[in-house]
Amino acid sequence: ETGVTQTPRHLVMGMTNKKSLKCEQHLGHNAMYWYKQSAKKPLELMFVYSLEERVENNSVPSRFSPECPNSSHLFLHLHTLQPEDSALYLCASSQGPGQGLADTQYFGPGTRLTVL
Amino acid sequence: GNSVTQMEGPVTLSEEAFLTINCTYTATGYPSLFWYVQYPGEGLQLLLKATKADDKGSNKGFEATYRKETTSFHLEKGSVQVSDSAVYFCALSDAVITGGGNKLTFGTGTQLKVEL
Repeated sequence: ETGVTQTPRHLVMGMTNKKSLKCEQHLGHNAMYWYKQSAKKPLELMFVYSLEERVENNSVPSRFSPECPNSSHLFLHLHTLQPEDSALYLCASSQGPGQGLADTQYFGPGTRLTVL
Repeated sequence: GNSVTQMEGPVTLSEEAFLTINCTYTATGYPSLFWYVQYPGEGLQLLLKATKADDKGSNKGFEATYRKETTSFHLEKGSVQVSDSAVYFCALSDAVITGGGNKLTFGTGTQLKVEL
């Protein structure tokens, strides 16, 4: 499926680097999400954007900075990360406003991030 | 708070065996229920969903019925294949985010291994 794409698929960075993760959805959706998936832990919701406005921020450290320039694109800017930030970062999208609890999230393939 | 409980894995089956992965939930109100599948090195793919009691979701031979009386959404498949080997996540949508989008509560995932 190519509804939600993410780049890069793999990223290795040092703690002093600055990098960005990119997500693009081709589904005409209005809501986009960032999740963190770590080994042995449940998926963690990080940020939610709806109609390009941030509507949810789950106490994520400031070294993670999201950006949503339009309804099709979502970025996660990374700087001065820690080794414990190594994880699979997943982007998702859904139709958004007006869908209620039936709003279905579609996920991208993820970016595997390793922080050295 | 709301929660999703899945059976511990890994579940190991022979090809063509019958599959059941149990999922029970705790939630107020009337959540929507989802099964997602994650193949090795990939993101989550929506497998099926149900939005109200007694609904049956089905896809690719997999089925699950929304049972409100037992708060369950067990995943079944009549004859598994080696290609079904993956991690399966049960999730519920229990909160609408003001401004758009919704929150999913995920189970911890059940790894399925299908052998020849």
